[in-house]
Amino acid sequence: DQQVKQNSPSLSVQEGRISILNCDYTNSMFDYFLWYKKYPAEGPTFLISISSIKDKNEDGRFTVFLNKSAKHLSLHIVPSQPGDSAVYFCAATFQGAQKLVFGQGTRLTINP
Amino acid sequence: DAGITQSPRHKVTETGTPVTLRCHQTENHRYMYWYRQDPGHGLRLIHYSYGVKDTDKGEVSDGYSVSRSKTEDFLLTLESATSSQTSVYFCAISESTANEKLFFGSGTQLSVL
Repeated sequence: DQQVKQNSPSLSVQEGRISILNCDYTNSMFDYFLWYKKYPAEGPTFLISISSIKDKNEDGRFTVFLNKSAKHLSLHIVPSQPGDSAVYFCAATFQGAQKLVFGQGTRLTINP
Repeated sequence: DAGITQSPRHKVTETGTPVTLRCHQTENHRYMYWYRQDPGHGLRLIHYSYGVKDTDKGEVSDGYSVSRSKTEDFLLTLESATSSQTSVYFCAISESTANEKLFFGSGTQLSVL
C-alpha cells in the first residue's frame, strides 16, 4: 500500500522555465511534508518542508504547495537551472510517527 | 554536512552469506534509520532506532536485523543475503522526531550474486 505516490517517474524541463513536481498521499493523518533532492552516488538532502497548517511555503526558487482536501502537494522550481537536475522525493509524516514515508521519486532533467 | 559515515561504500557478496553494514554518526542524534532505495519504490524504511538498544521495524524489515549498542553506531545485518536484497542502502539520522529533517549518509551499494 503506497501511502505517498509520485506518479511521474521523470520530467524534462527547459532551463529557465518552471518545473512542477507532484505528489499525492492517502493517509489523512499526515500533517507534515518534506521534499528531498538526490544526486547520483550521494544521499538525499533536505530541500523544503510544509506543515498542514499552511498551504504554501517558499524558500528562494523553491515553493511547495499543499492541497489538503485533494491530498496533494507540489514543488515548484522557478527558474529551473541545470544544477536542479536530480531525483526528487516527497515524504510525509505525522506527529509522533518517528519516521517518514517516501514516494517513489521523480527524476528531473533540466535541458539547456 | 552532518557527520554520517557508511561502510562499506560498495560490497559484492554471494547468496546465503551474512552481511553487516555500518552507520557511524558524530552528531549525537537520537534517531537513526536504515532505508533501501530501489527503482520504482523510492526509499523504504527497513528499521529505525530511537535510542541505544531501542529499535523498531519499518515497512520492509523481513530478512534484516539491526543493533545499536552505542549512540553513534547503527548496524544493519542481512542474516543470509538474497538477490532481492541487492539495493542501495542509506543510513539517516535525526535529532528529534521525524518532523525534523533527516540527514542521510552517502549510501552503500550492495550486490548479492
